[in-house]
Amino acid sequence: DQQVKQNSPSLSVQEGRISILNCDYTNSMFDYFLWYKKYPAEGPTFLISISSIKDKNEDGRFTVFLNKSAKHLSLHIVPSQPGDSAVYFCAAKGNAGNMLTFGGGTRLMVKP
Amino acid sequence: DAGVIQSPRHEVTEMGQEVTLRCKPISGHNSLFWYRQTMMRGLELLIYFNNNVPIDDSGMPEDRFSAKMPNASFSTLKIQPSEPRDSAVYFCASSLGLERIGGYTFGSGTRLTVV
Repeated sequence: DQQVKQNSPSLSVQEGRISILNCDYTNSMFDYFLWYKKYPAEGPTFLISISSIKDKNEDGRFTVFLNKSAKHLSLHIVPSQPGDSAVYFCAAKGNAGNMLTFGGGTRLMVKP
Repeated sequence: DAGVIQSPRHEVTEMGQEVTLRCKPISGHNSLFWYRQTMMRGLELLIYFNNNVPIDDSGMPEDRFSAKMPNASFSTLKIQPSEPRDSAVYFCASSLGLERIGGYTFGSGTRLTVV
């Protein structure tokens, strides 16, 4: 049973437009959420995070929104750039321990 | 800092052979994680260590999989015997403490192919 789901395996966006990546979770004990970015032949790298006490966190072109009632979070990238093309993983942490549960990933392709 | 170092980068082995994957975490990090990435299941946590002690190995798929962390600077993931369905990319990650969120640093992974 996947506790963190990314239902869109891929997304294609034109350069300059907004990219919206979605993530749903089922475990109400998750209290911290993160997005990781992964290029081919590299490990995932941390991008942005949000605590469950907030509903928005912004860092430059990247904004993460959290809707706790819907158990849904999203990552907005605006404007999208070709260098943003990568696989994006959503991850969640419970309130005990240091383990992260990852979603299956969404491959973003930003076309020039 | 060289980051999390995994070896080998690629491994091709025959079914039934033993495979050992290696990981050197970032110096000073006290949590270490092994993940497996597949097309079907994304990134799955296999096992994690805190201060060299295995904390949760519930993600280890079968008894064929074992992991050790004999000291703070080295961990191994062993598969014996290996099977074609074990083919995947295996990532090691480390972090500092239980409170340092976002502080997971991943290695570049080992791509394992079992034929």
